[in-house]
Amino acid sequence: DTAVSQTPKYLVTQMGNDKSIKCEQNLGHDTMYWYKQDSKKFLKIMFSYNNKELIINETVPNRFSPKSPDKAHLNLHINSLELGDSAVYFCASSQANQETQYFGPGTRLLVL
Amino acid sequence: AQSVTQLGSHVSVSEGALVLLRCNYSSSVPPYLFWYVQYPNQGLQLLLKYTTGATLVKGINGFEAEFKKSETSFHLTKPSAHMSDAAEYFCAVSESGGTSYGKLTFGQGTILTVHP
Repeated sequence: DTAVSQTPKYLVTQMGNDKSIKCEQNLGHDTMYWYKQDSKKFLKIMFSYNNKELIINETVPNRFSPKSPDKAHLNLHINSLELGDSAVYFCASSQANQETQYFGPGTRLLVL
Repeated sequence: AQSVTQLGSHVSVSEGALVLLRCNYSSSVPPYLFWYVQYPNQGLQLLLKYTTGATLVKGINGFEAEFKKSETSFHLTKPSAHMSDAAEYFCAVSESGGTSYGKLTFGQGTILTVHP
């Protein structure tokens, strides 16, 4: 009965590869988010979708492309991976107009 | 624009001692304020939040925080630390108005260590 789930949990890949991270929430929320936590544990929002529409798009390289097939899923595709992309990526969801966000367990990405 | 500053990247206390983690924020509109906890290799778990109403909010695991508008602060406290409280704590702010859809801005995090 996991509320927000992410796959994979760990991802090790080579520079230049393309990879995807999946996120699913079973809370019935309308809004989903992607956050990046760097090696210093600093958390920063990347994207937010509301009912499959992009709402927030922070200054993120266009190698990162979120995709929301339905309001329960928000996937993150990363092209041409770089060393600096190594981080923990967290998915979160919230009910529209409410501010509590529920986080997934994170995906630990290591680019070699 | 909104921002959060957590004073002290590391706080160390003895078991049974008072826990005080400091958070100051800035926001152009009335803020919503949050404390999240992150245990090693895990996601973030909400401890408590302030939106409107009573300025002293109680959360899980015996934690509480007080919203002080005049001081732009939202410090987290717990009267008696337990070994299981050892984790990293993040303060966050979002704007209550507009269509920001809950864009959370996080502080840098404070690692809490609890000594026996």
